[in-house]
Amino acid sequence: SYELTQPPSVSVSPGQTANITCSGDDLEDKFASWYQQKPGQSPILVIYQDTMRPSGIPERFSGSNSGNTATLTISGTQAMDEADYYCHAWDNSTAGVFGGGTKLTVL
Amino acid sequence: EVQLGESGGGLVQPGRSLRLSCTASGFSLGDYAVGWVRQAPGKGLEWVGFIRSLVYGGTTEYAASVRGRFIISRDDSKSIAYLQMNSLRTEDTAVYYCTRDRGPILTAYYPDNWGQGALVTVSS
Repeated sequence: SYELTQPPSVSVSPGQTANITCSGDDLEDKFASWYQQKPGQSPILVIYQDTMRPSGIPERFSGSNSGNTATLTISGTQAMDEADYYCHAWDNSTAGVFGGGTKLTVL
Repeated sequence: EVQLGESGGGLVQPGRSLRLSCTASGFSLGDYAVGWVRQAPGKGLEWVGFIRSLVYGGTTEYAASVRGRFIISRDDSKSIAYLQMNSLRTEDTAVYYCTRDRGPILTAYYPDNWGQGALVTVSS
């Protein structure tokens, strides 16, 4: 079955850039999406189709996908960005798959 | 405004069944695939399964952990999707989210809107 691997935690200082990675076999051949989940809330979509940002999502959120790794980048990180982040991809054998999630701490 | 609302959660004994409903508003449910994602207490997101729109055959896919026990269906005339959960196990305890899924992009889908979730507790 297909698997996506994320680091359990990432820390960043306010105003700095946070990079959250998601690794999977030939991930660049699939479309990665990213979700933000704050405590007690439902997840929200922040990046889809590797690089696209839904309306209402701040421009500081961006995405890339190359080789076996997709990356969510948050530029000028703010305290409000502290949350859990999950990557997602679709595999024709496994169907939907989520990464294990990354807890972003803004110190 | 796109809204999804789950109902039907609660406490159920192991081995019993439970059906969750997902009611959609603010868009035409029939134009989209519908998915279910669960989150065990303190854990990450786990994809459960989904159903394609009728234009794409209304076919379903399931995670290995629930295949053969869970069934997803839809009634577009009522804007409702269902998750029938049979032979429930304690490890099925989780918040269950329904999602509106975009696609296919080539053959891929992804959730773009989520409900508020329904808690299912499986315990004797």
